Amino acid sequence: QVQLVQSGAEVKKPGASVKVSCKASGYTFTTYYMHWVRQAPGQGLEWMGIINPSDGSTSYAQKLQGRVTMTRDTSTTTVYMELSSLRSDETAVYYCGRESTTSLRGFDYWGQGTLVTVSS
Amino acid sequence: DIQMTQSPSSLSASVGDRVTITCRASQSISRYLNWYQQKPGKAPKLLIYVASSLQSGVPSRFSGSGSGTDFTLTISSLQPEDFATYYCQQSYTTPRTFGQGTKVEIK
Repeated sequence: QVQLVQSGAEVKKPGASVKVSCKASGYTFTTYYMHWVRQAPGQGLEWMGIINPSDGSTSYAQKLQGRVTMTRDTSTTTVYMELSSLRSDETAVYYCGRESTTSLRGFDYWGQGTLVTVSS
Repeated sequence: DIQMTQSPSSLSASVGDRVTITCRASQSISRYLNWYQQKPGKAPKLLIYVASSLQSGVPSRFSGSGSGTDFTLTISSLQPEDFATYYCQQSYTTPRTFGQGTKVEIK
């Protein structure tokens, strides 16, 4: 069965970096894009970026350009999202979600979410 | 970027009611529109993709329609487990923007 399992909660100080992982299983890793989406407490969903696990190509939200890096490891079928220079207003739950590369049919599976708390 | 605007932002309804949520894109997105349901503390769940296709396992009381810039999610007979927040999202291009959400509450 398809599973996306994310790493555990993190507490970071302002200005620090965080790296969240998303391990995929139960499907062919390279045939689905992986997206990252975050949700601040009580707020809506914010798209952060996309990685193509097949070739590692990425596209990021304009507001995060220069601070976010998405990578993948095909040997472990894991994608990573690293966000640097964290601010307190970036306290949020961070999700990974997959989307088929051949038919843009939405994010059909999601990770369980990783709470990142940014606080001094 | 394509802006997605949902209305209403919240609504109160009773079990058995027919509920309609609308989503408008700032430019044409053909039929590349998806709907998600999110309950507190949980990841979003895909309900509808490419405007009107029902995701596997989703009850048939959920339906979607629209194309171009205007889309609708309809719940034909609201059930207790449907009280949640609903989001539209375009998959026409990146960034894959979401609407601001519609919270469906119990009347």
